Amino acid sequence: GENVEQHPSTLSVQEGDSAVIKCTYSDSASNYFPWYKQELGKRPQLIIDIRSNVGEKKDQRIAVTLNKTAKHFSLHITETQPEDSAVYFCAASKPRLGFGNEKLTFGTGTRLTIIP
Amino acid sequence: NAGVTQTPKFRILKIGQSMTLQCAQDMNHNYMYWYRQDPGMGLKLIYYSVGAGITDKGEVPNGYNVSRSTTEDFPLRLELAAPSQTSVYFCASGQGREGQPQHFGDGTRLSIL
Repeated sequence: GENVEQHPSTLSVQEGDSAVIKCTYSDSASNYFPWYKQELGKRPQLIIDIRSNVGEKKDQRIAVTLNKTAKHFSLHITETQPEDSAVYFCAASKPRLGFGNEKLTFGTGTRLTIIP
Repeated sequence: NAGVTQTPKFRILKIGQSMTLQCAQDMNHNYMYWYRQDPGMGLKLIYYSVGAGITDKGEVPNGYNVSRSTTEDFPLRLELAAPSQTSVYFCASGQGREGQPQHFGDGTRLSIL
């Protein structure tokens, strides 16, 4: 099955600096890669996603890049703010004939701390 | 539009007791999922369903059962609670198509003592 590795497990950055979280996946058939943010005690919430036919996607201060050849994708957060402190999870999904993209395989998470 | 609703939010069980975690969604999603999240860890898939009457095992199904009699509801049952089942349980739903995300409920925090 699919295996998703995520690094680093913890990351501390000064407020205003950039943060980068990287994930690798094992199954070349995977074609959908969402990122979720989970604040302490809250539900995971989708912040950005990318499909395999796109190399990069941006939404204000966050961006995701995908390298299909190397099977890795990254989350970039610029001009970090205290409210960016949370755990971030990457995930990968591949289609199954007749069933679409059923399941997500999650990475183990990165705890991001923004230092004021 | 409530999204994904989970009940209860918190529960303490004794070893050997049974209970059902409820999950309901009002987005008419065919796909529903149950995950568990142990402290400081990621999300592990317990069971999922691609439509009413259809369920399938995820990574960690042992000790759990599910049913899907309607599109809206996807309850998770623990028959004989064990301390290893202490966790936060998240229900999610989605359209299951490429590029469509899963939407999570607020979770149920379960302690087995």
